[in-house]
Amino acid sequence: ELKVEQNPLFLSMQEGKNYTIYCNYSTTSDRLYWYRQDPGKSLESLFVLLSNGAVKQEGRLMASLDTKARLSTLHITAAVHDLSATYFCAVSQHNNNDMRFGAGTRLTVKP
Amino acid sequence: EAGVAQSPRYKIIEKRQSVAFWCNPISGHATLYWYQQILGQGPKLLIQFQNNGVVDDSQLPKDRFSAERLKGVDSTLKIQPAKLEDSAVYLCASSLRSGYGYTFGSGTRLTVV
Repeated sequence: ELKVEQNPLFLSMQEGKNYTIYCNYSTTSDRLYWYRQDPGKSLESLFVLLSNGAVKQEGRLMASLDTKARLSTLHITAAVHDLSATYFCAVSQHNNNDMRFGAGTRLTVKP
Repeated sequence: EAGVAQSPRYKIIEKRQSVAFWCNPISGHATLYWYQQILGQGPKLLIQFQNNGVVDDSQLPKDRFSAERLKGVDSTLKIQPAKLEDSAVYLCASSLRSGYGYTFGSGTRLTVV
């Protein structure tokens, strides 16, 4: 069974600092997704990573994928308050299009 | 392009009552998904449609949940009878084809009292 674990589950950081959120998954996967969710809102797609070594960047967020280690990271550079949200990673497999989500990382950026 | 539309936004019902949610996916999106998101958890897939056929409903509690996608466009998800543990946000998502470019709707927040 495909399992997805994120850590940390809660993250409080100061503006201007850097930090990394980790996403581990249990079986071979061919797609990894990162989503952002603001309180009371739906999920916003951030990144889709398709291959080993893939790296994508958008603003202060950078995501990477290591399929051999079954690990993806979401790196936050020089955090700002607007990045406060819950971040989910999700994984799907080619033969099963069910997208399995991690529990989410609730990020709070303090001024 | 218009996004995934869901209604209602909020619903409060008593346990053992019935409730239905509606989803209109993005035009042309063949694949439609219903997810259940319990407070503090990640979304969990309930059912996946490809056009009007069911691809995966292995995690749908079929004794009380049902879903249909007539004509391969709109979809409805029904719970009958509802239990307290069904309190959650029900998210609908669609994509052109399986596994690519999911777009989520705003969700329906269900509270069962």
